[in-house]
Amino acid sequence: EAGVAQSPRYKIIEKRQSVAFWCNPISGHATLYWYQQILGQGPKLLIQFQNNGVVDDSQLPKDRFSAERLKGVDSTLKIQPAKLEDSAVYLCASSYPGRASTDTQYFGPGTRLTVL
Amino acid sequence: AQSVTQLDSHVSVSEGTPVLLRCNYSSSYSPSLFWYVQHPNKGLQLLLKYTSAATLVKGINGFEAEFKKSETSFHLTKPSAHMSDAAEYFCVGGSGGYQKVTFGIGTKLQVIP
Repeated sequence: EAGVAQSPRYKIIEKRQSVAFWCNPISGHATLYWYQQILGQGPKLLIQFQNNGVVDDSQLPKDRFSAERLKGVDSTLKIQPAKLEDSAVYLCASSYPGRASTDTQYFGPGTRLTVL
Repeated sequence: AQSVTQLDSHVSVSEGTPVLLRCNYSSSYSPSLFWYVQHPNKGLQLLLKYTSAATLVKGINGFEAEFKKSETSFHLTKPSAHMSDAAEYFCVGGSGGYQKVTFGIGTKLQVIP
């Protein structure tokens, strides 16, 4: 079974530039999550999708971050414009069926973003 | 919402000695609890999870954790550490139902040869 795929693995940008990350979850997983993991901290949930609908984006900085999951499969997370404090690893995870906090989440390898 | 507290940011053990990584939780509801491991430059992997079926949960790679309601703890243990166990470990809590889970700050495990 293929795992959660993410690209790119690494990205370096200047502040005020924009960047986009892509995630392809495990086939059949209804729920997709984006996390931000700052160095030395645990992952923080940014947004959670159930199929192609957003069910939790309470911690997403909506003035600069956006995410979409068209057709309920893969997803993109965008930052525009980036700030220095956005330097982090961005993790994508998926789960099935994904409606309960007892569900196991499967994580991708992450995208390491450095903002200079 | 469920919150978890990992009591140690770093733990160092000698190879072959027991591992204990501590996690306390707080919740008004029966929690769901997980331990994930993150090796350098690799994705998070589930070690084990508790969902009220049994208080002693066995996971992969010889790890296990015991849910103790009286102590609100879910500590991760392993009888004998291997070099390959060196990684960061996250305790994760959920309150059950349709709520997001919360990650602890992580514990870095160092295994000394």
